[in-house]
Amino acid sequence: QKEVEQDPGPLSVPEGAIVSLNCTYSNSAFQYFMWYRQYSRKGPELLMYTYSSGNKEDGRFTAQVDKSSKYISLFIRDSQPSDSATYLCATLPPRGNQFYFGTGTSLTVIP
Amino acid sequence: KAGVTQTPRYLIKTRGQQVTLSCSPISGHRSVSWYQQTPGQGLQFLFEYFSETQRNKGNFPGRFSGRQFSNSRSEMNVSTLELGDSALYLCASSRGDETEAFFGQGTRLTVV
Repeated sequence: QKEVEQDPGPLSVPEGAIVSLNCTYSNSAFQYFMWYRQYSRKGPELLMYTYSSGNKEDGRFTAQVDKSSKYISLFIRDSQPSDSATYLCATLPPRGNQFYFGTGTSLTVIP
Repeated sequence: KAGVTQTPRYLIKTRGQQVTLSCSPISGHRSVSWYQQTPGQGLQFLFEYFSETQRNKGNFPGRFSGRQFSNSRSEMNVSTLELGDSALYLCASSRGDETEAFFGQGTRLTVV
């Protein structure tokens, strides 16, 4: 079983829609969670970093961690064509030094 | 604040050759991790260095090696290149103390 599982999509939504991107992780000890956005032929860009459970909001983006179900989500409100990219979830175990990444979800926002 | 810098951005090499890629982390970051990204496999962890010591290594053959210098800059080397080594190689820097990682733009290696 992989440490992080992510639905690869692709996901296609109309502009203005709310987007939900999801990952599950295997180890209940994981406490640090990240979401990255990667445009084609570019390096991943850090969007959100959360510790433990709960929600974190930054503009149109909300990251949510549900430790009871080992589920992490990224919500994008009022999606824009510029949000079209691949989104990667990641986790870091406590006292760990290796990040575990999902395989990425490809998102297209249609104008 | 300068980001993570990877050089070169693009490389074309022939099978059997070797290649060295460079990564300069964010100032103050002591951890550098390397990843191979291909369309079918996603991000595959190569190795992680912290204060010039390799702390963790992924499941790659010994042709893949790395090192880190006292200024935290890191290099990775791939010897005896194979066609399957064609990929985007990414490095990520972090403080190394359970904080987030920041990526460079990557080096796109093509082996012909």
